[in-house]
Amino acid sequence: GQQLNQSPQSMFIQEGEDVSMNCTSSSIFNTWLWYKQEPGEGPVLLIALYKAGELTSNGRLTAQFGITRKDSFLNISASIPSDVGIYFCAGLRRAAGNKLTFGGGTRVLVKP
Amino acid sequence: ETGVTQSPTHLIKTRGQQVTLRCSSQSGHNTVSWYQQALGQGPQFIFQYYREEENGRGNFPPRFSGLQFPNYSSELNVNALELDDSALYLCASSPGEGLNEKLFFGSGTQLSVL
Repeated sequence: GQQLNQSPQSMFIQEGEDVSMNCTSSSIFNTWLWYKQEPGEGPVLLIALYKAGELTSNGRLTAQFGITRKDSFLNISASIPSDVGIYFCAGLRRAAGNKLTFGGGTRVLVKP
Repeated sequence: ETGVTQSPTHLIKTRGQQVTLRCSSQSGHNTVSWYQQALGQGPQFIFQYYREEENGRGNFPPRFSGLQFPNYSSELNVNALELDDSALYLCASSPGEGLNEKLFFGSGTQLSVL
């Protein structure tokens, strides 16, 4: 089962809004990653975080590596319709052979 | 530069059959990983291949097996298919063993088991 818990599971956005999502775990991770997946495609890497407290941006996206190393956050500023998709957090733990573990995803939809 | 390509894109099988999925890694990448993504869930790690050998395995039974070829392409084989094997199977390549933060994913093979 999933070791990473993402919330919310889904959210509606209105153009121009800022949105946030997070990912938590009971285990410490050495690297946190955020991916976006669109229908019919594989996940695409958005941001990689390598040390506790790190704050990294990629355009309108900003992600943070939690101080406890057990959580991470992703913010999207001034959302636009093409931000729709499923956002996954993923973590790497050296203790687990450095293999990637994914969260369950946050589905971002546009408000009707 | 060629990305990760997977074939076929869609496949329908019946319970008990065997299936082979194929993956060509991105140019310059020598490590291939396979993931299973059930509907509405995140990808689950199946196994990774490096230098034609299995290099780490997730919580999947032995009827899930794989191969990596000298050109770094890979196959995923699943025997005795079960209904719960219905999922999107994703292949990802990376430029070296241990560089799992640099995975590039293909578009996947959608497998339906009836």
